[in-house]
Amino acid sequence: QQQVKQSPQSLIVQKGGISIINCAYENTAFDYFPWYQQFPGKGPALLIAIRPDVSEKKEGRFTISFNKSAKQFSLHIMDSQPGDSATYFCAASLRGYSSASKIIFGSGTRLSIRP
Amino acid sequence: EPEVTQTPSHQVTQMGQEVILRCVPISNHLYFYWYRQILGQKVEFLVSFYNNEISEKSEIFDDQFSVERPDGSNFTLKIRSTKLEDSAMYFCASTSGGADTQYFGPGTRLTVL
Repeated sequence: QQQVKQSPQSLIVQKGGISIINCAYENTAFDYFPWYQQFPGKGPALLIAIRPDVSEKKEGRFTISFNKSAKQFSLHIMDSQPGDSATYFCAASLRGYSSASKIIFGSGTRLSIRP
Repeated sequence: EPEVTQTPSHQVTQMGQEVILRCVPISNHLYFYWYRQILGQKVEFLVSFYNNEISEKSEIFDDQFSVERPDGSNFTLKIRSTKLEDSAMYFCASTSGGADTQYFGPGTRLTVL
């Protein structure tokens, strides 16, 4: 119930292509869905986040698509660049109006962008 | 830009020894967390701390673990008697609450031999 399932485990995309990472959850009480980007030797850093009252959120080249009925959400990286090579984690939280709640992470996707 | 800092970056210890991992959260933040990441696996929640007490802890956070905010700036995680399976990257995080996000430190890599 508390899990967030993420796929694929690893992904190789050509420069300029679209990277797509998918996640699914079970707990319908989750109300905050962030994506984190992690570079080697660094902590996770918030990339973009969405609440379930919208179906899409776009920030620059990064877009979250959210399907509440299917309990799925995905990250799309347009025009993927070598600098996007990192591990991406989807996550979920019972946030309410506060960021104080724990974050439940997916298993991560190692993204490599080929020049 | 304010950031969460952690020391040491890498700690090597013998099984059964006590270790203390240190974190300096962002200065105006009120909520503090420890997460861990075993190599190649997902980031897992350990404990949250607010108003000088534990708010929530996971099943991983057993009696061998403790947290403390000994002064106005530091937040520590103590593992009383380390086990091989405690080897992991430990991340500290903090947030001011409200609409803010949780900010993660760079982590401490703990290696238990």
